[in-house]
Amino acid sequence: KAGVTQTPRYLIKTRGQQVTLSCSPISGHRSVSWYQQTPGQGLQFLFEYFSETQRNKGNFPGRFSGRQFSNSRSEMNVSTLELGDSALYLCASSLVAGGPINEQFFGPGTRLTVL
Amino acid sequence: AQSVSQHNHHVILSEAASLELGCNYSYGGTVNLFWYVQYPGQHLQLLLKYFSGDPLVKGIKGFEAEFIKSKFSFNLRKPSVQWSDTAEYFCAVNGGSQGNLIFGKGTKLSVKP
Repeated sequence: KAGVTQTPRYLIKTRGQQVTLSCSPISGHRSVSWYQQTPGQGLQFLFEYFSETQRNKGNFPGRFSGRQFSNSRSEMNVSTLELGDSALYLCASSLVAGGPINEQFFGPGTRLTVL
Repeated sequence: AQSVSQHNHHVILSEAASLELGCNYSYGGTVNLFWYVQYPGQHLQLLLKYFSGDPLVKGIKGFEAEFIKSKFSFNLRKPSVQWSDTAEYFCAVNGGSQGNLIFGKGTKLSVKP
């Protein structure tokens, strides 16, 4: 069974630009969550989608947005990039959202560098 | 608000030494607890998880963790570490019906051969 895939793996952008990252969950998984990983803040939750609906959102500005498609694939978008947005963005998928059987499987991440 | 604290930022051990990494969480209700590991250049992988039942849970690669509800703790242990255990270890929690994980800042483990 293929794991969680994320594209692109590496991205370099300049301040003010916008970026779209993509995540394909494990086949059959309907929940996708996004996390930001930085050396200073660690792993922080961005948002969670289930059946094309955002279930939960972390404490990030509105420049960060996401969506989920009917095939469970998800994208996240960051507009007006800032230097502090440089991070590893991780996607995780699970069968369902929440509850005790919610085991999340992580992708390799997209390394975003903002210059 | 939920939070997770990992006490050690960086732990250095020699091979065959015993390991205990501390994790405390703050959450008032029912929690699910996890330990993830991130080997250099690799994905985050689940080591073990606790949902209910026996508070001593066993995971992959000889790791185990004990949930102590009264102390809000979920410490990770391994009796004898190997060089290949060099990695960063993350404790995480989610509560009730919440799907998202709240992570600790991570503990970097370096094992000297």
